Amino acid sequence: DIQMTQSPSALSASMGDRVTITCRASQSIDRWLAWYQQKPGKAPKLLIQKASTLESGVPSRFSGSGSGTEFTLSISSLQPDDFATYYCQQYSYFSTFGQGTKLKIK
Amino acid sequence: QVQLVQSGAEVKTPGASVKISCKASGYTFSSFALHWVRQAPGQGPEWMGWINLGKGRTEYSQNFQGRVTFSGDTSASTAYMELTSLTSEDTAVYYCARDKVYWELYQFAYWGQGTLVTVSS
Repeated sequence: DIQMTQSPSALSASMGDRVTITCRASQSIDRWLAWYQQKPGKAPKLLIQKASTLESGVPSRFSGSGSGTEFTLSISSLQPDDFATYYCQQYSYFSTFGQGTKLKIK
Repeated sequence: QVQLVQSGAEVKTPGASVKISCKASGYTFSSFALHWVRQAPGQGPEWMGWINLGKGRTEYSQNFQGRVTFSGDTSASTAYMELTSLTSEDTAVYYCARDKVYWELYQFAYWGQGTLVTVSS
């Protein structure tokens, strides 16, 4: 199995801040990586696929980068709606999710 | 629009089985694989496998091999997930999810609302 490790597990930030979340794969997954946002009581929402392709309707303040084993999700200028938990997911070999990064208001 | 509507919450005792349904609408049901993903309290999602009724194929995660069965009814656009030999560690929200496009698996663009399964004696 390919393991996905996210850091940090929690992050406090203020409105307008720029934040970056890191996801590392236990082996190379090329660019087969997606990012999801999840709010309490809701299903995850697909934000980015193939490491950097933004889904339709996702604000441009979200961006993804990386390849191989190291990836990042960045959010520029945090908005109230962005405070949520974020998960990375590899789909190079079946599918595995990271344990999540909870983004909290400072 | 694509919709996935799941059956309601379940409470089971250890050793029992649970069967959850996922009714799809808004697209050609047999053209897409349907995945099952679960999420234990406070944990990240865990992929369980997928079924493609149009191709008559299933793929199960090794973590659930032998304990999970996917099935479906194309005439009713409904998929089912049955999990047996339940333990407290199976307490989770179970989701069905559909890929964004039929030719690329594992980009979960559409999700059901989730079904809470509680396993408790």
